Amino acid sequence: GGIITQTPKFLIGQEGQKLTLKCQQNFNHDTMYWYRQDSGKGLRLIYYSITENDLQKGDLSEGYDASREKKSSFSLTVTSAQKNEMAVFLCASSSGQNSDYTFGSGTRLLVI
Amino acid sequence: GEKVEQHESTLSVREGDSAVINCTYTDTASSYFPWYKQEAGKSLHFVIDIRSNVDRKQSQRLIVLLDKKAKRFSLHITATQPEDSAIYFCAGRTGNTGKLIFGLGTTLQVQP
Repeated sequence: GGIITQTPKFLIGQEGQKLTLKCQQNFNHDTMYWYRQDSGKGLRLIYYSITENDLQKGDLSEGYDASREKKSSFSLTVTSAQKNEMAVFLCASSSGQNSDYTFGSGTRLLVI
Repeated sequence: GEKVEQHESTLSVREGDSAVINCTYTDTASSYFPWYKQEAGKSLHFVIDIRSNVDRKQSQRLIVLLDKKAKRFSLHITATQPEDSAIYFCAGRTGNTGKLIFGLGTTLQVQP
């Protein structure tokens, strides 16, 4: 079986700092996603990528950049962390348009 | 674009009873509806899905019903057990990008 790994598990940053979250999968899935989970707001799509070097904006892309340099990895950058920001960032992958997602365990972000 | 609304934010049932979580969607072209479970402190994992070519699917104690006319789908958990306690997310997929739109989640509590 495969695995999808997110690093780091916890991330504490300072206001204005640029922060990078990483995600790796060994399922050989084509499509990868970054979602943000806030309490009471469900999951909101930040960026997704349907193949290597492809990037598509989600509903919440402002304030973020993403990079898919290899099929197996998808990274997300918070360009300028906002003070008191607290959220969980979830990475997911899928093999195609008719497949479910496999989620990583998440990165918990706290900005002080 | 597609919107998915999850009607119950919280649900409490007694062990052994059934639990029903309802979702509606807006895009008539949506064709794939998965459900995910998130246990406390953990990430989401896939539990069951239904595609638009059927109106019912069962996997052990989980039943998903789809009413395309009403643009509604529901998750039924029969003979609930304490380990069913979690947040359940419904989702819908439209188009060929593979991206899922999630509901806000339902917190299910199964009381012994």
